Amino acid sequence: NAGVMQNPRHLVRRRGQEARLRCSPMKGHSHVYWYRQLPEEGLKFMVYLQKENIIDESGMPKERFSAEFPKEGPSILRIQQVVRGDSAAYFCASSPPGHEEEFFGPGTRLTVL
Amino acid sequence: QKEVEQNSGPLSVPEGAIASLNCTYSDRGSQSFFWYRQYSGKSPELIMFIYSNGDKEDGRFTAQLNKASQYVSLLIRDSQPSDSATYLCAVRQAGGFKTIFGAGTRLFVKA
Repeated sequence: NAGVMQNPRHLVRRRGQEARLRCSPMKGHSHVYWYRQLPEEGLKFMVYLQKENIIDESGMPKERFSAEFPKEGPSILRIQQVVRGDSAAYFCASSPPGHEEEFFGPGTRLTVL
Repeated sequence: QKEVEQNSGPLSVPEGAIASLNCTYSDRGSQSFFWYRQYSGKSPELIMFIYSNGDKEDGRFTAQLNKASQYVSLLIRDSQPSDSATYLCAVRQAGGFKTIFGAGTRLFVKA
């Protein structure tokens, strides 16, 4: 059973470009969470999604950030017009229905030049 | 006050000793508690979860929860150098979907 998959693993963008981060949950998992981690800091919750629904986006910046989890395909975290402060590791986690334990993907390291 | 607080460490213990990692949380409505291990440059890995007051043991790991004191801990027995990592405490409210993580405690196990 493959784990949570994220791609790309490393992403370099220039200021003002768009970043698209993809996450495929574990098989049988319908809940997806996105987190951001700055160096030497803990994980910060961004958004929680189920298939085709955003359930809780209270941790997501109001501007430039969006997330989706379509019926088919991976979950996408989209950052428009990136700035240097967006440089961080972005982790996706998934859990099966009825369970709270989250299983993390390897992360995407975003660097904004 | 931070929602989930951990001593940043580093905590240094000799090989074979017991490592004790502590965490306090501010929301009395918290219902679920998790410990994750994160190696440098890697993603968090779930070690333990606990929902009820008391102790829960899994191999060399024991999670302890005291809801009255809003305190959760992780004990690692017979610590090994491979246990050297950052340990993240995480808390979720009852019926909630948002998991709040502490900043982590860095553990060093000296051979």
